[in-house]
Amino acid sequence: DAKTTQPTSMDCAEGRAANLPCNHSTISGNEYVYWYRQIHSQGPQYIIHGLKNNETNEMASLIITEDRKSSTLILPHATLRDTAVYYCIVRVAIKTSYDKVIFGPGTSLSVIP
Amino acid sequence: SQTIHQWPATLVQPVGSPLSLECTVEGTSNPNLYWYRQAAGRGLQLLFYSVGIGQISSEVPQNLSASRPQDRQFILSSKKLLLSDSGFYLCAWSLRREGGEAFFGQGTRLTVV
Repeated sequence: DAKTTQPTSMDCAEGRAANLPCNHSTISGNEYVYWYRQIHSQGPQYIIHGLKNNETNEMASLIITEDRKSSTLILPHATLRDTAVYYCIVRVAIKTSYDKVIFGPGTSLSVIP
Repeated sequence: SQTIHQWPATLVQPVGSPLSLECTVEGTSNPNLYWYRQAAGRGLQLLFYSVGIGQISSEVPQNLSASRPQDRQFILSSKKLLLSDSGFYLCAWSLRREGGEAFFGQGTRLTVV
């Protein structure tokens, strides 16, 4: 079962920041938070991941709360091409463990012109 | 760089016919490999994952099987397709290292008629 909860859907105006929340209250100390997105009829695309610290890359920023029970994915300037389903996932990804990547239903983000 | 190949992109098969979907990864060795299915309008369901040649774990009972004859080759099969096997099938891989993100193929859209 997925260990995360996300809102079913969100809207965001084009050019504004999109803030997608995720709750993972049962996260373990060795579990990472990952974000993927899936544009219709394509395979999921990796966005970003983090363990404790906030992370930023060319696509997005990831803000993880100090207790690690929730996080927010930030798309700083949303475009129409960012319309997709966004998945928040927690997973253990250490060398000797099975690494089952389990997806929940995700958040359907609609960027509106 | 690593790439994942999945084919065919689309497939229409009659009920009762066999199925073989192939996925290969290039540019890495000893990856974890995964098969997912996404029914229309639904989330991603993990079907199988593999941590090595001949090592397959099944997540859900079903009409499908998986095999890993080579390190970077993952095959999804069925002896007799059912209508309920229709869906979007995705192959993915990840490195077995801490924080290793998973990468997805572009998927095969299977329609059983």
